[in-house]
Order: sequence, then structure tokens, then C-alpha cells
Amino acid sequence: QKEVEQNSGPLSVPEGAIASLNCTYSDRVSQSFFWYRQYSGKSPELIMSIYSNGDKEDGRFTAQLNKASQYVSLLIRDSQPSDSATYLCAVTRAGGTSYGKLTFGQGTILTVHP
Amino acid sequence: NAGVTQTPKFRILKIGQSMTLQCTQDMNHNYMYWYRQDPGMGLKLIYYSVGAGITDKGEVPNGYNVSRSTTEDFPLRLELAAPSQTSVYFCASSTPDGRGANVLTFGAGSRLTVL
Repeated sequence: QKEVEQNSGPLSVPEGAIASLNCTYSDRVSQSFFWYRQYSGKSPELIMSIYSNGDKEDGRFTAQLNKASQYVSLLIRDSQPSDSATYLCAVTRAGGTSYGKLTFGQGTILTVHP
Repeated sequence: NAGVTQTPKFRILKIGQSMTLQCTQDMNHNYMYWYRQDPGMGLKLIYYSVGAGITDKGEVPNGYNVSRSTTEDFPLRLELAAPSQTSVYFCASSTPDGRGANVLTFGAGSRLTVL
């Protein structure tokens, strides 16, 4: 079982729709969860972080975390063609010995078509 | 503010050659990392450092070496390059975000091809 697993996609949604990206993780001591967006040929950029169960909203983005189910998701409302990218889920353990090391999923390719 | 700077951006190596990927950050971050990303895959941690003089292995360290003589610099050395090391390499640095987690800033990446 992979430590962090995502639907590889590709996921295709029409412009203006809601895109839903999912991620599961296997390590129960994971405490911090991140969504990175990566455009083709570019480096990952952080778009959302979430640490507590529930929802966290930032503009058109909502991250959802369920630690009991070991599940984290990202919703993108009113999807735009500029949202077309690979979305990487990443997790890390809490505490001083984690040193911020991230474990990444394989990424989900999202295409938003006009 | 340059952030994390990596050089070179592209490099082609022959099997058995060696090279060093350079990484410099100007944010005074203590933590630095090297990741590799193979096509269609996520990032895998090669090595990391928690401060000058302190480094440790990540998930995929074989075939690589690192050093950290200063806070700013964290070079990655490839010895005896192999085709399996063809990848995109990302350097990153981080600082705590006030919630006990670290927010990583990535460099632009170095694309390495071994032929």
C-alpha cells in the first residue's frame, strides 16, 4: 500500500464546474496535510494546508480532512482553464523529528475545458 | 528576494560521469531538502538537512551525496551517473508556519538526463 495515494486521473471537468480531488494516506500519525499545484514543467506551489478535521476554505478552494478515515480532499469551485495542472497531495508527521519532510502522492492531472 | 535558486536548469550526462546540482536559499531557512520527480510521479525525498553540518537520508538516497557547510547552500552530488537517475530534481527549504508545520518553498528544478 502506498503511503499517500491519489486518483491518478486524468480528471476532466467543464469550466465553471466543481473539481473534486481525493487523497488517502496510510500513516495514522500523519498530522499535517498539503495540496500543491504543479503546472507542466514548473515546480510545485502550495495552495492549501489543513491540520484539523473538517473543512478549510480559501477563495475557490476548500480542503477537507477526515483523520478517522485517513482521507483528505480538495474541492475547486467555479473551475477555470487556468486551474488545469497536476495536483499533489502531501502529508507530514507532526513534531520536531518530522523536520517538515513531505511524503507526496503521485498526483492527479486536472483538465478544465472551456 | 530570490528564494531557492537551483543550477543548472538542464544537464545531459553520460553514464558513469559525476556532477553536482547546486542549491542556494536566501531566506535563512534551517531546513533544506532534495527531491526527485520521475515522469507522472510524485516527489520522492533524496536527502534533507536540518542545519549547517547536519544531513540525513530520505527515501531514495542511493547514488547521491550531500553536504551542508553553510545555511544557504545544499549541493547534491551524483556519483557514477546511471540512466535510473534521469529525473527532475527539486531543492526546497522550509520554515515553521506557526502551527507546528513547515511550509516548503521549492526551487525551479533541474532536469537531468543520463545517456
